[in-house]
Amino acid sequence: QVTLRESGPALVKPTQTLTLTCTFSGFSLTISGMCVSWVRQPPGKALEWLALIDWDDGKYYSTSLETRLNITKDTSKDQVILRMTNVDPVDTGTYYCARAADCYMGDGLDVWGQGTTVIVSS
Amino acid sequence: EIVMTQSPATLSVSPGERATLSCRASQGVGSNLAWYQQKPGQAPRLLIYGASTRATGIPARFSGRGSGTEFTLTISSLQSEDFAVYYCQQYNKWPPWTFGQGTKVEIK
Repeated sequence: QVTLRESGPALVKPTQTLTLTCTFSGFSLTISGMCVSWVRQPPGKALEWLALIDWDDGKYYSTSLETRLNITKDTSKDQVILRMTNVDPVDTGTYYCARAADCYMGDGLDVWGQGTTVIVSS
Repeated sequence: EIVMTQSPATLSVSPGERATLSCRASQGVGSNLAWYQQKPGQAPRLLIYGASTRATGIPARFSGRGSGTEFTLTISSLQSEDFAVYYCQQYNKWPPWTFGQGTKVEIK
């Protein structure tokens, strides 16, 4: 069974760095085509794609946020980590990680974590 | 960056009726489009990928069509559990992947 679980601080102060961890099981991020992505959702708003990392350590970012984001993986721990620098209250929302079994063949994000809520406030 | 525009923003439908949701891309995305369903307080769920292929476990009442810039998601006979928000997402030219702003399907 494939599962993903997000973890991180519930409250972060403006200008700080937010670090989120996605711990997954049931698949390996060393398999060709496998990817993990981060998506966020401000309260009451639409989904916003943030970043993706593939099995080969390829990293891709939202155009508007790429200067603030860094995505890494630790295959020994089955984790993907997203760091967002200089957070602002507009970064408040629910952050999801999700798997794409073959992101280059276009299978979609087929399994999602339950999300973790982050509030940015002083 | 490809912009995805969904219409309508809200669709009011009676149970048992058909619902048709639209998604338009600002430039052609081939068939590289997915649809997701999201219920309140839940994570999104993949319904359709490749514009028309149902994901594992998705009922046959959900169908997707289209290619290029125009796409539709049809729910043939709405069930109570289908009232939710639906998002389209392109993955043709990336980064970035981009989502539409969503269509809320509500009970009429």
